[in-house]
Amino acid sequence: NAGVTQTPKFQVLKTGQSMTLQCAQDMNHEYMSWYRQDPGMGLRLIHYSVGAGITDQGEVPNGYNVSRSTTEDFPLRLLSAAPSQTSVYFCASSYGQGLGEAFFGQGTRLTVV
Amino acid sequence: GENVEQHPSTLSVQEGDSAVIKCTYSDSASNYFPWYKQELGKRPQLIIDIRSNVGEKKDQRIAVTLNKTAKHFSLHITETQPEDSAVYFCAANFGNEKLTFGTGTRLTIIP
Repeated sequence: NAGVTQTPKFQVLKTGQSMTLQCAQDMNHEYMSWYRQDPGMGLRLIHYSVGAGITDQGEVPNGYNVSRSTTEDFPLRLLSAAPSQTSVYFCASSYGQGLGEAFFGQGTRLTVV
Repeated sequence: GENVEQHPSTLSVQEGDSAVIKCTYSDSASNYFPWYKQELGKRPQLIIDIRSNVGEKKDQRIAVTLNKTAKHFSLHITETQPEDSAVYFCAANFGNEKLTFGTGTRLTIIP
């Protein structure tokens, strides 16, 4: 039982490049989410999903896309990277509608130059 | 809007003393209030949570209190130890699907 697995752990992108952050969980959780963590700003919700085929926007969705084709996977896509997207990204999953313990992945430190 | 304010942003206490971190939230309909601990370079992990049908919950040296009327909740850590040094985040739900986090408190335990 691996929990929530995120890849890659570190990434450097040039402005304008695109990439996908991968997230997979093996706990059969319906709810999955993506957060970004910036100094002094805590964890801010980017997108979330309450089940396969269903996604919705969080607090800071601009510049990011998500999809949820399976219960296990919830990838985050950066369409055209900008320096403002330099951050640490965390994927999380939880049982039910998100009102329970959130299990976080190990994080991806993304730098956009 | 959906807002959770957390204070203080940094806190230093002597080992063995108590630490208190406070959060306020904006939505009176919020009913789930978790606290997460994040050690340096690690992922956040749940340490305690409380739901609106109770006013206080304890787990060994950690307790959380909730005042729904005032819309604030607090984390209390007693008999602090060096391993308590970390960043602590409070959170509150907005609706059934969104969790909004506070900006974090960096707690340092002074030996």
